[in-house]
Amino acid sequence: GAVVSQHPSWVICKSGTSVKIECRSLDFQATTMFWYRQFPKQSLMLMATSNEGSKATYEQGVEKDKFLINHASLTLSTLTVTSAHPEDSSFYICSAPREWHEQFFGPGTRLTVL
Amino acid sequence: AQSVTQLDSHVSVSEGTPVLLRCNYSSSYSPSLFWYVQHPNKGLQLLLKYTSAATLVKGINGFEAEFKKSETSFHLTKPSAHMSDAAEYFCVVSEGTGRRALTFGSGTRLQVQP
Repeated sequence: GAVVSQHPSWVICKSGTSVKIECRSLDFQATTMFWYRQFPKQSLMLMATSNEGSKATYEQGVEKDKFLINHASLTLSTLTVTSAHPEDSSFYICSAPREWHEQFFGPGTRLTVL
Repeated sequence: AQSVTQLDSHVSVSEGTPVLLRCNYSSSYSPSLFWYVQHPNKGLQLLLKYTSAATLVKGINGFEAEFKKSETSFHLTKPSAHMSDAAEYFCVVSEGTGRRALTFGSGTRLQVQP
């Protein structure tokens, strides 16, 4: 089946630093990818839609200058959390649609900001 | 706008007994509906999907769900629970095709007692 990878799987950083998370579709091309955020014991909330070759579209309430998204190629989207703070600590998950009715999810990246 | 309501945040069953996880949806258009499972420290896995074909959908691991438009429901069932079924389950809706962003329900944690 289709595979979507994320790197790193977990990261711990100091407050004020920036962290980059990669999302790759390993065996298919994805012109669109989605970034979700999941707080402990909560559901996934859509943060933004990453579009290859154009700007990402952000959901209401998500700061685009804080969560920078770059969709550099048909298989790679990156999410950079800039000037991270403890409240940004969360589980970040990407997904990519391949077939008409199915999306494939990455395994997620757990970010802890000290 | 679309939304999903999972009626139970926590369900506990005994091994070998039936499982019922309830989900109601709201959508302005013909929705695509999904059930995903999330095991601890693992990525989301698609259990099954409804995309306007047969209303009774069979998925992996013995799970199935029935789309009932009149009741706006998409409940997940399994005749006999296994210990390995213990996980978090998400009911998910997408308007139109599955290539759009997904809206997740709040999740139901399934506990299976020996």
